[in-house]
Amino acid sequence: GAGVSQSPSNKVTEKGKDVELRCDPISGHTALYWYRQSLGQGLEFLIYFQGNSAPDKSGLPSDRFSAERTGGSVSTLTIQRTQQEDSAVYLCASRFAGGGETQYFGPGTRLLVL
Amino acid sequence: KQEVTQIPAALSVPEGENLVLNCSFTDSAIYNLQWFRQDPGKGLTSLLLIQSSQREQTSGRLNASLDKSSGRSTLYIAASQPGDSATYLCAVLYSGGGADGLTFGKGTHLIIQP
Repeated sequence: GAGVSQSPSNKVTEKGKDVELRCDPISGHTALYWYRQSLGQGLEFLIYFQGNSAPDKSGLPSDRFSAERTGGSVSTLTIQRTQQEDSAVYLCASRFAGGGETQYFGPGTRLLVL
Repeated sequence: KQEVTQIPAALSVPEGENLVLNCSFTDSAIYNLQWFRQDPGKGLTSLLLIQSSQREQTSGRLNASLDKSSGRSTLYIAASQPGDSATYLCAVLYSGGGADGLTFGKGTHLIIQP
């Protein structure tokens, strides 16, 4: 596809379970971003990858959150021992690092923790 | 902490009216500012990007202005249509190179009445 894709589109899980969210960036985009959109909180930046490296992980909300990127393409965001406050829409964006600053967003994964 | 504020939070106007959405940011040392549109259940679509050295950008019926010194941006929508109904988000990038994520406002929920 031409755009950023994310899977699953929706995820319902029980408190305490682990979840894994996936992002497929636009082909050739070396920069990848994860954001979280919570009700009443707006969009919050979580982490940035340049290639497979994440220079700064300080935006992740807690040590239950981790992210990785392999092959400079697909990225996964993992939330361990989910809590109800993790319920949100998780958005991924990618950018062509060689030109322009526009970030292209995926449709998001809507996570509900019961 | 850098903050982005959008006013109003919600706006409902009859079709055909011209309207202005406002965005303010606390730290004027920005790299660029973007306006996005978000439709329910979907990701973000970039509308306009203004570099810090620019004063405005135009695309069709949309015009975005930037006054960096006062920490303000406006999005002007001319001759509004029902299809313009969406949430409009303002986002600021504070450094080039993409190492930082975007800092978003909470958005203006716009309804255009047919």
